[in-house]
Amino acid sequence: EPEVTQTPSHQVTQMGQEVILRCVPISNHLYFYWYRQILGQKVEFLVSFYNNEISEKSEIFDDQFSVERPDGSNFTLKIRSTKLEDSAMYFCASSEAQQPYTFGSGTRLTVV
Amino acid sequence: LAKTTQPISMDSYEGQEVNITCSHNNIATNDYITWYQQFPSQGPRFIIQGYKTKVTNEVASLFIPADRKSSTLSLPRVSLSDTAVYYCLGVDTGFQKLVFGTGTRLLVSP
Repeated sequence: EPEVTQTPSHQVTQMGQEVILRCVPISNHLYFYWYRQILGQKVEFLVSFYNNEISEKSEIFDDQFSVERPDGSNFTLKIRSTKLEDSAMYFCASSEAQQPYTFGSGTRLTVV
Repeated sequence: LAKTTQPISMDSYEGQEVNITCSHNNIATNDYITWYQQFPSQGPRFIIQGYKTKVTNEVASLFIPADRKSSTLSLPRVSLSDTAVYYCLGVDTGFQKLVFGTGTRLLVSP
């Protein structure tokens, strides 16, 4: 069964540092997403991406966040200057049509 | 996007059938009912989706009555590995995002 692959599985970074979370969506999928889940809380939508541009973003996705599909296979989430409250599991997802999504196993980001 | 309400938690034993009910009184004509499952420290996983009546796959069944104001996810003969959080979502296939609630935490005991 095709998978969405996320790397790294766990990243520890110092506050104020930039991090890049990487995702390889399923190859024939056209829609890409990032979600996050703070420990013990809901899965929250960050951004959706289609046709090489952001199609929708949440209030969480402020100027410190950006997404890119640099080479037609990877899909990245960059956090420019991390804060303690950015510590969470970050999930990438992709879909062929608009439903259903396939999620990756996530990157656990710990900001210290 | 339909607002959904489901129990916070449920307990069951191995081998039992589990039915998780979800209320969605304001479901729109274009909304499908979709269920995802999430294990600890993993991303949600699509289980099943339906519009009306009954849908069955290798994992679960989904019952949606004619008025579509509620739905029931049925898991036959659960095992310990079915312990997870189950999310009911009302999804307009024209929208591009899923909105997750708190879900139902199912605990299956021996």
